Amino acid sequence: SQTIHQWPATLVQPVGSPLSLECTVEGTSNPNLYWYRQAAGRGLQLLFYSVGIGQISSEVPQNLSASRPQDRQFILSSKKLLLSDSGFYLCAWSGIGQGNTIYFGEGSWLTVV
Amino acid sequence: AQSVTQLGSHVSVSEGALVLLRCNYSSSVPPYLFWYVQYPNQGLQLLLKYTSAATLVKGINGFEAEFKKSETSFHLTKPSAHMSDAAEYFCAVQNSGGSNYKLTFGKGTLLTVNP
Repeated sequence: SQTIHQWPATLVQPVGSPLSLECTVEGTSNPNLYWYRQAAGRGLQLLFYSVGIGQISSEVPQNLSASRPQDRQFILSSKKLLLSDSGFYLCAWSGIGQGNTIYFGEGSWLTVV
Repeated sequence: AQSVTQLGSHVSVSEGALVLLRCNYSSSVPPYLFWYVQYPNQGLQLLLKYTSAATLVKGINGFEAEFKKSETSFHLTKPSAHMSDAAEYFCAVQNSGGSNYKLTFGKGTLLTVNP
């Protein structure tokens, strides 16, 4: 069966520090990968998605970047965090094709102080 | 462009009462529709999805939803609420056309179940 792992679960970082959140998927090949951010009362916002190694699409301009160095690895990064980057970050994957379910990881709480 | 509106950011019901969470969508092409549930500090779990087969979709934990094209709605229901149903619920839409499979989410509805 497929599983998705995301870490760290909780992170407190000072303003201006770098960020790296990692996500790996097991039990499937060539998945679509996604990073979402969830802010209170604002639902889920898609930040990045990837349909293959090295292929990253950004949905909104921001202080963050994403990379996919391996087929089942997705990394969310920042060189200098802002207070507004605080939130709950969710990695997700889906199979290729329309109507496929998107499966979410357990999420990472980021607090920028 | 696709969008989702969830009517009511907070719904409160008594245990044993009917649960009705409302979702309306906007899509220029036939949509795929999803309901997810999120328990505190956890990721999202799929409850059910509509992918152009039967319009009445049954999901896990006794939930079901009906796709009504004329009303552009996909409301989530459960006949009898349990305390364990207390969570946040998200409706999402995916266009059936296009080259990517992004989901657009509503802002969520927090369900409270009172004893």
